[in-house]
Amino acid sequence: EAGVTQFPSHSVIEKGQTVTLRCDPISGHDNLYWYRRVMGKEIKFLLHFVKESKQDESGMPNNRFLAERTGGTYSTLKVQPAELEDSGVYFCASSQGINRKPHGPLTNNEQFFGPGTRLTVL
Amino acid sequence: AQSVTQLGSHVSVSEGALVLLRCNYSSSVPPYLFWYVQYPNQGLQLLLKYTSAATLVKGINGFEAEFKKSETSFHLTKPSAHMSDAAEYFCAVTRGGGADGLTFGKGTHLIIQP
Repeated sequence: EAGVTQFPSHSVIEKGQTVTLRCDPISGHDNLYWYRRVMGKEIKFLLHFVKESKQDESGMPNNRFLAERTGGTYSTLKVQPAELEDSGVYFCASSQGINRKPHGPLTNNEQFFGPGTRLTVL
Repeated sequence: AQSVTQLGSHVSVSEGALVLLRCNYSSSVPPYLFWYVQYPNQGLQLLLKYTSAATLVKGINGFEAEFKKSETSFHLTKPSAHMSDAAEYFCAVTRGGGADGLTFGKGTHLIIQP
């Protein structure tokens, strides 16, 4: 079974340009997440899709970032226009879903991560 | 709000020695806790997870972690370090419910001395 894939692996752009990152989750996974790690900082949550709907986008830094997941399969994260502080590694993750009895153990919530896209804004 | 603190950005141990990576969390809801590992040029891989079942959780590659509610800790241990364990390790807690996004600690680089 293929894992989470991300494209491109690296992207170098100039300030003010537009970049689109793509994530293909594991087939059948309803949950898709985007994270970002700026150099020297912790990995930060950006947003969470359940199928094609945005479940939680509270981590999106500003309106220069637009995430979509049309059809509930792959997702794109567009940065327009890019700024210097957008540089970092963008990770995508997917999970199958949750199967939980009230207050009981959680199953199927493991998030599988892609290798990341390293974005450099000059 | 949830938060994770990992003590020590770098931990160095000798091959064959005990590995102890510390993680303390803060959560307003019963937490689900995770340890991930990232090897160079790879994505994050799940080592183990705590999901309110057993408090001592065994993971892959001989790692285990113990959930201690009274100490709000979820430290990662391995009895005997191997050179292949050199990597960056991340502790994480779910932001809310089980399928929510994760809040990560800053990561700890584990260095194995020969």
